[in-house]
Amino acid sequence: NAGVTQTPKFQVLKTGQSMTLQCAQDMNHNSMYWYRQDPGMGLRLIYYSASEGTTDKGEVPNGYNVSRLNKREFSLRLESAAPSQTSVYFCASTPGWGRQTQYFGPGTRLLVL
Amino acid sequence: AQSVTQLDSHVSVSEGTPVLLRCNYSSSYSPSLFWYVQHPNKGLQLLLKYTSAATLVKGINGFEAEFKKSETSFHLTKPSAHMSDAAEYFCVVSSANAGGTSYGKLTFGQGTILTVHP
Repeated sequence: NAGVTQTPKFQVLKTGQSMTLQCAQDMNHNSMYWYRQDPGMGLRLIYYSASEGTTDKGEVPNGYNVSRLNKREFSLRLESAAPSQTSVYFCASTPGWGRQTQYFGPGTRLLVL
Repeated sequence: AQSVTQLDSHVSVSEGTPVLLRCNYSSSYSPSLFWYVQHPNKGLQLLLKYTSAATLVKGINGFEAEFKKSETSFHLTKPSAHMSDAAEYFCVVSSANAGGTSYGKLTFGQGTILTVHP
């Protein structure tokens, strides 16, 4: 039981390049989330998926797209990376939609030059 | 609307002395409150959570927090700091929406970095 896994662990991009961050959970959770973490700002919600087949914008969705591929997987795509997207990205999941404990992945460090 | 303010960006204590990390929240409706810990280059781990049961909540590793509605606070404490407690701590709020149904989005505080000196 690996919990929440994220790939890659670290990535360097040039401005304008695209990439997809992958997230998978093996806990049969219904809801999944993508956050970014920047120094002094805590974690901010980018997108979330309350259940398979649905996705919604969070606090900072601009420049990102998501896909809930199936119940296990929730990917985050940067179509045209910008230096402002340099950050640490965390994926999380919960059993259902509500005020539940979120289980976090180990994070992906992204550097955009 | 909901928000969280962690009153100290850095806290420094000596090993064996008490720890106090302060958190105030704002919530339109009944909140759930969490404390998460993040060790360097690691993901976030839940320390404890309050979800409208007992106001004094005990968590892992000897941490506890008290929900005080009148003060809109949820401060994190530990009687005796250990070197392994050095990490960044996040206070987090989630509240019900106007319809009274559960609201799954979390709002994070800015984080408090705890340093423990030998």
